[in-house]
Amino acid sequence: AQTVTQSQPEMSVQEAETVTLSCTYDTSENNYYLFWYKQPPSRQMILVIRQEAYKQQNATENRFSVNFQKAAKSFSLKISDSQLGDTAMYFCAFMITGTYKYIFGTGTRLKVLA
Amino acid sequence: GAGVSQTPSNKVTEKGKYVELRCDPISGHTALYWYRQSLGQGPEFLIYFQGTGAADDSGLPNDRFFAVRPEGSVSTLKIQRTERGDSAVYLCASSAGLAGGPEQFFGPGTRLTVL
Repeated sequence: AQTVTQSQPEMSVQEAETVTLSCTYDTSENNYYLFWYKQPPSRQMILVIRQEAYKQQNATENRFSVNFQKAAKSFSLKISDSQLGDTAMYFCAFMITGTYKYIFGTGTRLKVLA
Repeated sequence: GAGVSQTPSNKVTEKGKYVELRCDPISGHTALYWYRQSLGQGPEFLIYFQGTGAADDSGLPNDRFFAVRPEGSVSTLKIQRTERGDSAVYLCASSAGLAGGPEQFFGPGTRLTVL
């Protein structure tokens, strides 16, 4: 069975600083996708970034980047120049290609401090 | 509409009652998903529709839960004989399905409280 583990229930970071959120996963599959979603208090999940397992290059979206280590089954999210609006729950998710269902971790609550 | 919408946003019911939760996906999205998010947890997959048919219902916890998507657009999640343990946020998502990328776009959820 596939599992996703987020070992940091809560984190905080000063505004304009950099923070890294951890995620590890377990699978025997070779073709899959990884995602980071943000869930603010409004509850709406918003896609932050995605990574295809077959790509060696780490994905980047503006201030957000990932460190994808396939052999270690690790997928961390780095947020640079943290902003107050980044305060939210962050979920790591995994999807085996062709299955169309996500498996989520338990989330990390990030608080950006002014 | 521009995004996935869900109604109602909140639903309070009594143990043993029947409830229906509605999801309106992004126009043109053929795939629709239901997830359940319990307090302090990540969302858990319930069911996935491709068009009108349920392509994967392996996440439905028991036969009290049922979902339909009769015209391939709006979907309704139906829960019979509700129990207190059914209290959670029910999230709906849609995607372009087989013709598109793997990203799922989520609605704001329905918070169900069973008293």
